Amino acid sequence: EPEVTQTPSHQVTQMGQEVILRCVPISNHLYFYWYRQILGQKVEFLVSFYNNEISEKSEIFDDQFSVERPDGSNFTLKIRSTKLEDSAMYFCASSGSGQHTEAFFGQGTRLTVV
Amino acid sequence: GENVEQHPSTLSVQEGDSAVIKCTYSDSASNYFPWYKQELGKGPQLIIDIRSNVGEKKDQRIAVTLNKTAKHFSLHITETQPEDSAVYFCAASYDKVIFGPGTSLSVIP
Repeated sequence: EPEVTQTPSHQVTQMGQEVILRCVPISNHLYFYWYRQILGQKVEFLVSFYNNEISEKSEIFDDQFSVERPDGSNFTLKIRSTKLEDSAMYFCASSGSGQHTEAFFGQGTRLTVV
Repeated sequence: GENVEQHPSTLSVQEGDSAVIKCTYSDSASNYFPWYKQELGKGPQLIIDIRSNVGEKKDQRIAVTLNKTAKHFSLHITETQPEDSAVYFCAASYDKVIFGPGTSLSVIP
């Protein structure tokens, strides 16, 4: 069964450092998403990406965040200068269509900023 | 933007009993309503979904209902089993999935 894969599963970084979280969406999907889940809280939408550009982003997705699809298979989330409050699980998701279609989620990357 | 509310936040049931989780949404444009189960340390997994042109959908022990007029939708799990214990998220979607805050379900053997 096709699945979304994310690496690494856990990343620890120093405050102020840059991190890149990587995702390989399902191969024939066209829409890609990043979500964040702070421990014990709900899953929050960060950004959606289609046709090599951001289609929508939330208030959380400020200038320190960026996304890229560098090579047609990977989909990355970069946090330029991490803050303690960026510590969370980050989930990548993909869907075949942006509307009315099941979004498949990866297992997540746990980011710990120290 | 879309806002999804979910109740209760925690739910404990005896094995074999039913569990009901209720959600409301704010954006009338939403027309896809998935439900996700999240087990500890894992990503959300879709367990059932319903589209706005359908009022009810059932898949074995799981059923969902949707009232578009009232902007309510709910999840019903019958004959609960210990392995149903997890956090359940409702969500509403038009072009992105907006999650409710989650319900932690515990099924007591």
